Order: sequence, then structure tokens, then C-alpha cells
Amino acid sequence: AQTVTQSQPEMSVQEAETVTLSCTYDTSESDYYLFWYKQPPSRQMILVIRQEAYKQQNATENRFSVNFQKAAKSFSLKISDSQLGDAAMYFCAYRSVTGNQFYFGTGTSLTVIP
Amino acid sequence: KAGVTQTPRYLIKTRGQQVTLSCSPISGHRSVSWYQQTPGQGLQFLFEYFSETQRNKGNFPGRFSGRQFSNSRSEMNVSTLELGDSALYLCASSLARGSYEQYFGPGTRLTVT
Repeated sequence: AQTVTQSQPEMSVQEAETVTLSCTYDTSESDYYLFWYKQPPSRQMILVIRQEAYKQQNATENRFSVNFQKAAKSFSLKISDSQLGDAAMYFCAYRSVTGNQFYFGTGTSLTVIP
Repeated sequence: KAGVTQTPRYLIKTRGQQVTLSCSPISGHRSVSWYQQTPGQGLQFLFEYFSETQRNKGNFPGRFSGRQFSNSRSEMNVSTLELGDSALYLCASSLARGSYEQYFGPGTRLTVT
């Protein structure tokens, strides 16, 4: 079974600074999807960024970018110019291309310090 | 386009009762998945429905069941509620199985007393 590991239960960052959240995963599949979801206190799970494993280019969405290292099975999220609204729980998730089941990490709670 | 909706948003039940939660996917989406989120276990997959058929099931007891209707709306049912069933239940919808995009609803917060 696929497993996703987030080794940082909590992280903090100064407003306007950059922070990187780590994620590693284990799979025997060659093609898959990887996601970062944000869950604010309101509890709505919001998609931050996604990556297709066959694409070598790292995904970028405005201030959010990933460092995808397929061989190392690593998928970190970089948040640039951190804003107070970025404070939330961040989940890394894996999904096979053939099914709809997400495998989630345990989450990283991000605090943004004004 | 409206997002994924879940009803009710909050629910309080007592042990031994049963509960039904509802999820309406985004218009045109035919796949619905359910997840249980608890502080101790994190996010765990319950089941997935596509075209009114259960396609995949997580490691939960038979007290947890679900179904999907012809309009893609889905319900999940938990019978003989236990205190440990207190959780946030999230529903996610996508166009089809394996779709790149999958969107979550706001969840139903179930409290069992």
C-alpha cells in the first residue's frame, strides 16, 4: 500500500518569508498524482497545488511551488512571501492514476507570525 | 458552478443510533469518495462510488455503508454509532475515476455522545 509521510507536525514562518514543507511517499507505481491540500480552521479542504509524476517540471501556482524528486520519492511545498491567510494545516496526498483513493500524510500545521 | 455540498454540516447523535450523511457532487461529476478525519487517525478512506457502484472500500467495519444515486448524489450511513465514530466526514467528487481534479466538500461534523 502507498504511504505518505510528513515529518514536520508543526512549522512557523514570519510573514513575507519563505517556508518549505516536507513530504515523502512510498509507491511501486510509476505514474501517479501528488497533491498539497490546505485545511484552514473552517475545515474546508482546499487544493493548493498538484503534480503529475510523469512531468519532470515542478508545478507552480503563484506563491506556491513544489520540489518533486521522483527518484527520491520526495514532494516538498515551498510557500514564498508567506501571508497570514496561509496559516492552516497542510496535507500531502498521493493518488493513483487508476483510482480515486487519496493517501494522506498526517499533516503539517503552519503558523504565520505577523 | 456550485461546489461539493454536504448535509448536514453538524450532527449530534447518541451511541447506538444510526446516521445518514449526504453529499452532492459538483454538477457533471460522477465519482464520489468519502473520508473520515479524526485527530488520532488523520484522514482515512472510507469508500468510492462511481456510476452508482462501489468501486473501492477502505478498512472500516460493516457498520459503515454507502450508496450513490443516478444523479451522482451519495449517502453514507453509519449504524450502531460508537463514540469513536465522532469525526469530520469529508466527501470528494471528480468527473471520473482517475480524474486529475478532485474537489472536497466542507464536511459533516459528527459528534457521538
